[in-house]
Amino acid sequence: AQKVTQAQTEISVVEKEDVTLDCVYETRDTTYYLFWYKQPPSGELVFLIRRNSFDEQNEISGRYSWNFQKSTSSFNFTITASQVVDSAVYFCALSDGSYIPTFGRGTSLIVHP
Amino acid sequence: EAQVTQNPRYLITVTGKKLTVTCSQNMNHEYMSWYRQDPGLGLRQIYYSMNVEVTDKGDVPEGYKVSRKEKRNFPLILESPSPNQTSLYFCASSPNRDTSNEKLFFGSGTQLSVL
Repeated sequence: AQKVTQAQTEISVVEKEDVTLDCVYETRDTTYYLFWYKQPPSGELVFLIRRNSFDEQNEISGRYSWNFQKSTSSFNFTITASQVVDSAVYFCALSDGSYIPTFGRGTSLIVHP
Repeated sequence: EAQVTQNPRYLITVTGKKLTVTCSQNMNHEYMSWYRQDPGLGLRQIYYSMNVEVTDKGDVPEGYKVSRKEKRNFPLILESPSPNQTSLYFCASSPNRDTSNEKLFFGSGTQLSVL
């Protein structure tokens, strides 16, 4: 069975601080995909990134970066120089072809001005 | 505009009164699914559909029904709602049946309160 753990329920930072959201996953499959979604206060779910299990290259998109490490089954998300607009709930998800993607419980990020 | 449309956005009902939450996508996606989001539990899948007339249970299907008579529509039906079904519901779609490598396109959510 697949499992996604986001141990940080809530993180509070001050604007311009760097922050890392942790995601640890479990799966027996060798082929799988990992995702991050953002849910701002308005409530919609926005796709951020997808990573397949064969590509461990880290990715950077502006202030966002992702660190995928198969050795520790982690797919962590870092926001550099956080901004108030980054305040949201962030979900990590795992999909291994079972048609039932598994989501973590989410991490609520609060960025104070 | 490509989108997944859910209605209504907010719904308050009473125990036992049948209701339907509609979901429609205009992207010709094969895969559609329903999730519920509860505080501290993240998103859990209720039902999914890989194509017209093909539906299957997700992780928490009890108390729900779905149908997929047309490719674009995937309504969620609560025959006899109970207070423990009070939740935020999301419909999602994906282009292909094999969703393992596809991102999900989400609707804007339906906040349901069952009194």
